[in-house]
Amino acid sequence: KAGVTQTPRYLIKTRGQQVTLSCSPISGHRSVSWYQQTPGQGLQFLFEYFSETQRNKGNFPGRFSGRQFSNSRSEMNVSTLELGDSALYLCASSLGIGGSTDTQYFGPGTRLTVL
Amino acid sequence: KNQVEQSPQSLIILEGKNCTLQCNYTVSPFSNLRWYKQDTGRGPVSLTIMTFSENTKSNGRYTATLDADTKQSSLHITASQLSDSASYICVVSSVAGNNRKLIWGLGTSLAVNP
Repeated sequence: KAGVTQTPRYLIKTRGQQVTLSCSPISGHRSVSWYQQTPGQGLQFLFEYFSETQRNKGNFPGRFSGRQFSNSRSEMNVSTLELGDSALYLCASSLGIGGSTDTQYFGPGTRLTVL
Repeated sequence: KNQVEQSPQSLIILEGKNCTLQCNYTVSPFSNLRWYKQDTGRGPVSLTIMTFSENTKSNGRYTATLDADTKQSSLHITASQLSDSASYICVVSSVAGNNRKLIWGLGTSLAVNP
């Protein structure tokens, strides 16, 4: 079974630009969560999508948005990029059924650098 | 406030030695606790998961313990290998109704030297 894939793996943008990151979950998984990881903050939860609906949202500004398609693939968009947005963006997929058996499987991440 | 604190922040050990990583949490209500291993440049991979009623769980050379009374967990690595060099992250799940929250620790960075 193929794992979680994220594209692109690396991205360099300048301040003010926007960026779209893509995540393909494991086949059969309906939940996709996005995280921002920086050295000092650890993993920060952005949002979770389940069956094309945003189910949970973290404390990030509205510049961060996402969506999920009918095939469970998800995209994350960041508009008006700031230097502080430089981070590793991780996508995790799970069955989405909740409970202790609902393990999140992470992709390799997209390394975003904002200059 | 829900928090997960890990110690030490970083650790260096020699290959073949054992080590123990700590995780203290103040999360309520508590659902389960997981340990993840994250290699450099990769996403985290789940090592173990423990619910309230479980106090120990093993995965090969990794053994996690949970003391729900003191709200502490540890991850013990036996006979370390170079491939154990990674960040180990503790995360606690809190479920209230249909709302599940994951509270992540900052991780312990482990370096295993030959």
